[in-house]
Amino acid sequence: ESALTQSPGTLSLSPGERATLSCTTSQPVSSNFLAWYQQKPGQSPRLLIYAGYSRAIGVPDRFSGSGSGTDFTLTISRLEPEDFAMYYCQQHETFGPGTQVDIK
Amino acid sequence: QVQIVQSGPEVKKPGASVRISCLASGYNSITYAIHWVRQAPGQRPEWMGWINTANGNTKYSQKFQGRVAITRDTSTRTVYLELMSLTSEDTAVYYCGGTRCSGGTCSSGVPYTWVDPWGQGSRVTVSS
Repeated sequence: ESALTQSPGTLSLSPGERATLSCTTSQPVSSNFLAWYQQKPGQSPRLLIYAGYSRAIGVPDRFSGSGSGTDFTLTISRLEPEDFAMYYCQQHETFGPGTQVDIK
Repeated sequence: QVQIVQSGPEVKKPGASVRISCLASGYNSITYAIHWVRQAPGQRPEWMGWINTANGNTKYSQKFQGRVAITRDTSTRTVYLELMSLTSEDTAVYYCGGTRCSGGTCSSGVPYTWVDPWGQGSRVTVSS
């Protein structure tokens, strides 16, 4: 089974800044099996991106997914106050360790 | 719009079993499948398995094979997760969530791996 890593572990940014979150798989994976989630404390995860780059219904267009092979990226073009949260990538059924986006 | 509602919190003793329910409304059973994912405190989500509500097919994580069962009641559109031989390591929030299937129908397609929408979660505490 392919292992997943996410970097950085914590990202400290200010509102309005651009956030770039990385997800790396140990073996190449089709982007069809790559998804990104946002989770806030005490809440259920929320699907942001599926099949590598498709935005889920209701997700603002400041969120975008890209990448291929073993390296995938979630980009938040301009951070809004509600975007400070934990972000997980998922490859097939495996979830990564997450990146915490904190307010600087 | 699909909505998912789960059963309430559970407290169990080690060695016991727990059964959690998941009621999904607003969807056609041939176009949706249900995943179960758990999340221990401070940990990443962990996938447990799925059920194709159209035909009852299931797939389980190898980690839980043999002590987990996912079933469905088509008359009430309710899906159940049963986890047996509980230990303190099973203390977690258990989520169910929907997904669609390849080819647009779960009658012949395979459930996608992403989960959307998610239920509110069911907290399970295992303690003596």
